[in-house]
Amino acid sequence: KAGVTQTPRYLIKTRGQQVTLSCSPISGHRSVSWYQQTPGQGLQFLFEYFSETQRNKGNFPGRFSGRQFSNSRSEMNVSTLELGDSALYLCASSLGDSSEAFFGQGTRLTVV
Amino acid sequence: KQEVTQIPAALSVPEGENLVLNCSFTDSAIYNLQWFRQDPGKGLTSLLLIQSSQREQTSGRLNASLDKSSGRSTLYIAASQPGDSATYLCAVSYYSGGSNYKLTFGKGTLLTVNP
Repeated sequence: KAGVTQTPRYLIKTRGQQVTLSCSPISGHRSVSWYQQTPGQGLQFLFEYFSETQRNKGNFPGRFSGRQFSNSRSEMNVSTLELGDSALYLCASSLGDSSEAFFGQGTRLTVV
Repeated sequence: KQEVTQIPAALSVPEGENLVLNCSFTDSAIYNLQWFRQDPGKGLTSLLLIQSSQREQTSGRLNASLDKSSGRSTLYIAASQPGDSATYLCAVSYYSGGSNYKLTFGKGTLLTVNP
């Protein structure tokens, strides 16, 4: 059974640009969550989608947004990139509430 | 606000040793607790999931316990091997305004097993 797939694996962007990251969850999983991981802050919750609805959002500026499609695939978008947005962005999928979370390999974003 | 703390931050042990990693959380109203492993630059691999109604879970050489009332969990690794070297992360899920599914992570324990 295929795991969680994130694309691309690596990205280098310039300050001020925007970026879109993609996440394909495990087949049958309807919940997709996004996390940002940095050496200083660790793993921080960005948002969670379930059946195309954003159910929860972390404490990040409005430049961070996301969406989920009818096939449960999810995208997150970061506009007006800042140097501090450089991080590993991780996506997790699960069947739903209180279920085991499975993570993808992440997208390493570097902003220069 | 839920906070998760992991002690120690780093641990170095010789191969073959049994070891315990600790995790504590401030709000006992959790739904479950999950232990993950992360290799450098990689994603997270789920090791064990303990539901709030359970006391422990076992998988191979790993055993995780949960004491919800005291806000503590431990991950026991038996007969450690160099391949166990990684960062171990603890995360709790709890109700957060509209969704059950929000994980709060500790900062992790960096484990090094020396041959």
